[in-house]
Amino acid sequence: QVQLQESGPGLVKPSQTLSLTCAVSGGSINSGGYYWSWIRQPPGKGLEWIGYIYYSGSTFYNPSLRSRVTISVDTSKNQFSLKLSSVTAADTAVYYCARLYYYDSSGYLDPWGQGTLVIVSS
Amino acid sequence: SYVLTQPPSVSVAPGQTARITCGGNNIGSKSVHWYQQKPGQAPVLVVYDDSDRPSGIPERFSGSNSGNTATLTIIRVEAGDEADYYCQVWDSFGDPPHVVFGGGTKLTVL
Repeated sequence: QVQLQESGPGLVKPSQTLSLTCAVSGGSINSGGYYWSWIRQPPGKGLEWIGYIYYSGSTFYNPSLRSRVTISVDTSKNQFSLKLSSVTAADTAVYYCARLYYYDSSGYLDPWGQGTLVIVSS
Repeated sequence: SYVLTQPPSVSVAPGQTARITCGGNNIGSKSVHWYQQKPGQAPVLVVYDDSDRPSGIPERFSGSNSGNTATLTIIRVEAGDEADYYCQVWDSFGDPPHVVFGGGTKLTVL
C-alpha cells in the first residue's frame, strides 16, 4: 500500500523559500498513470491545488502560484519536492502531498500524506 | 475556471441521513470525487467516479451525480462521521488541466 510522508522546516521567514519533500513508500514513483501532487490548506480554510509532476519530470502548476513554484522529482530516492519562493504570511498553511490518479479526462487524489504545517513568520 | 459550490454546513441527528450537495455547471458530465477530512487529519477519499467507494469505506457512504448537482449521501450517520467534506472534479479545460475542489461542507452530528 502506497504511503506518502512530507518533511521540511515548519517555520520559514518572509521572502525566503519554502522547501518540502514527499517520500513515497510501498510503491514506485515511476508507476505510469499517476501524477504526484502538492496541495495546501490555510488554517481554517479549504484546499488549494499547487501543482503536480509526472515521473518523467513534466510539471503542471497552479497559474496563481506559477511564478514562485518549482516541483521536482528524484526517482532514485522515490521522492518529489516542492519549492515556493518569496513566501509571505499568506503562504502559511498545511502542505499535503498526494498521488493523483489521472484517467479518461478525470482524476482523484489518493492517498494523501499526513500533511505538514508551514508557518511564515519572522 | 470551473467552480464547485457546497453549502458551508449540514447538521443531522445520529441515525439519520445526511446529504451534502456539490453544484457546478453541467457537473453531471464530469466525474465527481468526495473527500472526508476530520480535524487535524489529511483528507481521505470516500467516493470516486460519482458513486464508487474505495476499499475500507463503509457502504453507508454513497454518491450520485446528475444535471448541475452531485450529492454525497451518508445513511445511518454516526458521531464519527462528523468532519469536513470536499467534492472535487477535474477541469480538463484549465490551463493546465487540474483538480478543482469545492469549498467544503462541515457535517455536524447533533
